[in-house]
Amino acid sequence: ETGVTQSPTHLIKTRGQQVTLRCSSQSGHNTVSWYQQALGQGPQFIFQYYREEENGRGNFPPRFSGLQFPNYSSELNVNALELDDSALYLCASSPDRADSVYEQYFGPGTRLTVT
Amino acid sequence: AQSVTQLGSHVSVSEGALVLLRCNYSSSVPPYLFWYVQYPNQGLQLLLKYTTGATLVKGINGFEAEFKKSETSFHLTKPSAHMSDAAEYFCAVSPLRGTYKYIFGTGTRLKVLA
Repeated sequence: ETGVTQSPTHLIKTRGQQVTLRCSSQSGHNTVSWYQQALGQGPQFIFQYYREEENGRGNFPPRFSGLQFPNYSSELNVNALELDDSALYLCASSPDRADSVYEQYFGPGTRLTVT
Repeated sequence: AQSVTQLGSHVSVSEGALVLLRCNYSSSVPPYLFWYVQYPNQGLQLLLKYTTGATLVKGINGFEAEFKKSETSFHLTKPSAHMSDAAEYFCAVSPLRGTYKYIFGTGTRLKVLA
């Protein structure tokens, strides 16, 4: 397995700008989840996609949006960036969403700094 | 609503000593429980998980955790700490059936003293 990769590793943006973060899941993993990890905190669930459809969302405003593509890649888009959006953004993939629990495989994250 | 509490944001142990990281959860039904480790500038790596069955779960790198329903706890232990265990550890819960919406604790940073 090739693992979960994310790009870029670091990013600096200005308040009000828009940003796109990218994730490449493991082959065969149809579920991808995105998390925000603020400094000193645990990851917080943003949303999840299964086979290109949003399949659950956490307590994040609509300016956080996502896309999942058939080639196991996905994007997290954030519009109108705010200072509080500065965080490590983690992507995690899972092989299935059937009535079984599978562990999530996390990428190394993208560290976003908003100034 | 489910929640996770990790007692102690920082824990220090001597090399070779017992590691004990505490995790308590609140849930209306027994959840699935996980421990993840995060090394600096890296993503999260699964250490172990509890779903059903045996309440004592063994994971990688010599770690284990015991699910205690009566205490709503899932503490992580390792008999003998190694310098390479220094990292941040996160406890997480998920709903019984898979949305993969993990709820994480705030983490415990483990320091291993030589």
